[in-house]
Amino acid sequence: AQTVTQSQPEMSVQEAETVTLSCTYDTSENNYYLFWYKQPPSRQMILVIRQEAYKQQNATENRFSVNFQKAAKSFSLKISDSQLGDTAMYFCAFKVNRDDKIIFGKGTRLHILP
Amino acid sequence: GAGVSQSPRYKVAKRGQDVALRCDPISGHVSLFWYQQALGQGPEFLTYFQNEAQLDKSGLPSDRFFAERPEGSVSTLKIQRTQQEDSAVYLCASSPRQGFSTDTQYFGPGTRLTVL
Repeated sequence: AQTVTQSQPEMSVQEAETVTLSCTYDTSENNYYLFWYKQPPSRQMILVIRQEAYKQQNATENRFSVNFQKAAKSFSLKISDSQLGDTAMYFCAFKVNRDDKIIFGKGTRLHILP
Repeated sequence: GAGVSQSPRYKVAKRGQDVALRCDPISGHVSLFWYQQALGQGPEFLTYFQNEAQLDKSGLPSDRFFAERPEGSVSTLKIQRTQQEDSAVYLCASSPRQGFSTDTQYFGPGTRLTVL
């Protein structure tokens, strides 16, 4: 069975600082995708960034980047120059290629302080 | 264009009542998913449709839960004889194509169900 673990229930950082959210996962599969989703108070789940397991290069989307360590089964999210609008729950998630369901971690609540 | 919409946004039910939750996916999206998100938890998969066919219902917690998508667009999640443990946010997601693992799932805002 696949599992996703987020060890930081809650974090707070000052605006403009850099913050890293941790995620580890467990799987015996070789072909899969990893995601970070953002869920603001409005509850709309928004895809922040995705990583294909076969790609060695870490994905980057503007201020968001990941550190993907396949051997260690680690997938952390770095947010640079954090903004007040980044305040939200962040979920690490996993999907096997041959399946359609996404498996989510329990989330990290991130507060960006003015 | 319009995203995934869900209605109602909030639903309060007395224990034992039946409820129906609606999902309107993005127009033309083939795949549709339902997830259940308990308070303080991540979403958990309930069921998956490809057009009108329900291909995976392994996540439905009991036979009180039933989902349908009769014309391959709008979907309804029905919960019969609601229990307090059914209280959660129910999220719907859709994706464009069938059988393509690379497709992003686009989520709706969810329906918050509270069972008293």
